[in-house]
Amino acid sequence: AQSVTQLDSHVSVSEGTPVLLRCNYSSSYSPSLFWYVQHPNKGLQLLLKYTSAATLVKGINGFEAEFKKSETSFHLTKPSAHMSDAAEYFCVRDNFGNEKLTFGTGTRLTIIP
Amino acid sequence: NAGVTQTPKFQVLKTGQSMTLQCAQDMNHEYMSWYRQDPGMGLRLIHYSVGAGITDQGEVPNGYNVSRSTTEDFPLRLLSAAPSQTSVYFCASSRTLNTEAFFGQGTRLTVV
Repeated sequence: AQSVTQLDSHVSVSEGTPVLLRCNYSSSYSPSLFWYVQHPNKGLQLLLKYTSAATLVKGINGFEAEFKKSETSFHLTKPSAHMSDAAEYFCVRDNFGNEKLTFGTGTRLTIIP
Repeated sequence: NAGVTQTPKFQVLKTGQSMTLQCAQDMNHEYMSWYRQDPGMGLRLIHYSVGAGITDQGEVPNGYNVSRSTTEDFPLRLLSAAPSQTSVYFCASSRTLNTEAFFGQGTRLTVV
């Protein structure tokens, strides 16, 4: 089965320090990959997406992610965390051969003042 | 521009009751889907539709029905509610599968 694995269920960083949220995918082909963010009691919002163009993808709010085929990874980074970044983040992929998206289990990001 | 509108936001059901969760979008998107979100499990696909009159099952379809009579609306029906269906439900729409998905605010359902 095609899947995405978010390696950390919870990440805590201090305000102003870098953020790294890790995502690996399984596949024999290069999927479309997305990062979504969910603030408390809200729906999900797209941060960025990779669809086989540039491997370094820039998103909203200063986030970016790099597609690394050799490592089957799509990690999300931000140089300097802000209190408003506290939320849950989901790595998402498409699936070859069907019209479905697969979500990772999520990483909860906590920002320490 | 309303985006994706879900109703109700909260619902408590008794075991065995039925209900319909409503979802409407005003972006003329072809692709619509329903997910449930449970702690530690991410979002799991219940049913989806690639256009009016076309629906298909997702990962966890049992106990749920859908229909897509118009492009705008994609209701989710719980046939006979069970405590295992206690969850937060999200409706989403997108132009295609690989374009940005827009999510509703969610419905928090409790089955007692």
